[in-house]
Amino acid sequence: RKEVEQDPGPFNVPEGATVAFNCTYSNSASQSFFWYRQDCRKEPKLLMSVYSSGNEDGRFTAQLNRASQYISLLIRDSKLSDSATYLCVVTSNTGKLIFGQGTTLQVKP
Amino acid sequence: EPEVTQTPSHQVTQMGQEVILRCVPISNHLYFYWYRQILGQKVEFLVSFYNNEISEKSEIFDDQFSVERPDGSNFTLKIRSTKLEDSAMYFCASSPRQGQNTEAFFGQGTRLTVV
Repeated sequence: RKEVEQDPGPFNVPEGATVAFNCTYSNSASQSFFWYRQDCRKEPKLLMSVYSSGNEDGRFTAQLNRASQYISLLIRDSKLSDSATYLCVVTSNTGKLIFGQGTTLQVKP
Repeated sequence: EPEVTQTPSHQVTQMGQEVILRCVPISNHLYFYWYRQILGQKVEFLVSFYNNEISEKSEIFDDQFSVERPDGSNFTLKIRSTKLEDSAMYFCASSPRQGQNTEAFFGQGTRLTVV
């Protein structure tokens, strides 16, 4: 089983749509959880941390379910500029980041 | 805003040659990392470095690879006798601490092409 698993997509959605990405992780001892965004051939950039209580940052909502080892990201009112690859990331107790394959989002006008 | 800087942005090298990839982490950060991403694949952990020594390394980080922090600001990755399969984006990252919800900041990467 992969350490962090994501549906690679691509997700093709129209502007204004709501889109949800899911991710599962295998190590129940994982400490921290993040969504990073990666544009083509660029470095990963932190989008948001993910907490069990759920957290929201503008149009973005992230949720963690530790019991199911499941992480989600919801994007509301999609913009063209949201087109990117979204990386689900968990950390081990040693601090290293473990990346999923990424989910590609393409927002169309 | 402080950032992690990497040089060069693109390096082309012949198979069998040695390359050194350079990184300047954010100045007050204590934990340093190298990751790599082969084209079309996921970002993979190579090595972490703290207090002037390797704290963890992956199976990828074999004897061909080494890291160094020679002068308190630079953090380098050396790849000896490069192979074609070493072609990838190499990302340096740094963190101020280790612990829950601590973000890692990434440099813009060095694209290594081995020919």
